[in-house]
Amino acid sequence: EDQVTQSPEALRLQEGESSSLNCSYTVSGLRGLFWYRQDPGKGPEFLFTLYSAGEEKEKERLKATLTKKESFLHITAPKPEDSATYLCAVQGVTGGGADGLTFGKGTHLIIQP
Amino acid sequence: NAGVTQTPKFQVLKTGQSMTLQCAQDMNHEYMSWYRQDPGMGLRLIHYSVGAGITDQGEVPNGYNVSRSTTEDFPLRLLSAAPSQTSVYFCASRPDRWNNEQYFGPGTRLTVT
Repeated sequence: EDQVTQSPEALRLQEGESSSLNCSYTVSGLRGLFWYRQDPGKGPEFLFTLYSAGEEKEKERLKATLTKKESFLHITAPKPEDSATYLCAVQGVTGGGADGLTFGKGTHLIIQP
Repeated sequence: NAGVTQTPKFQVLKTGQSMTLQCAQDMNHEYMSWYRQDPGMGLRLIHYSVGAGITDQGEVPNGYNVSRSTTEDFPLRLLSAAPSQTSVYFCASRPDRWNNEQYFGPGTRLTVT
């Protein structure tokens, strides 16, 4: 059974204070690891897909990296508008009901001005 | 493009009532799915469809039915609502089962009393 654990559950940073969110996973053959952003009262918004260890992707102040056991979402010099819940999900070869995604519980990020 | 749309946004039901949550997408995506999101838990897959006329169960299908008569629409039916079905429901779509960049709708917040 595919599993995803995200840490910390919540993180409060000052504006400009860089940090990283962690996503640890176990999966029976990784097809992809995904990062989403979710704002209150809205659906998740796709950010990145990572397919293999060593891969990195960037978008504005966000950078996602992948190893064989975990992924990090690095946030550089964050701004208040980066406040959101960040979700990690994996897609395994056999998990999640035929190509469904297994999601973590998310990290609730607050950036204070 | 409206993307993925869901109606209603909010709904209150009494135990035993039935209802249908509507989902539509205008991106000509083959793959559609329904998730529920509960506090302290990750998104969980309810049902999915790999194309018109084809549906299958996800992780938590009990108490829900789906059908897919067109590419655009994927309604979720609650047969006899129970308090345990109080949740936020998200519909999602992606181009096909092999393309895993998934787009989510805005969600339906359902309360069963």
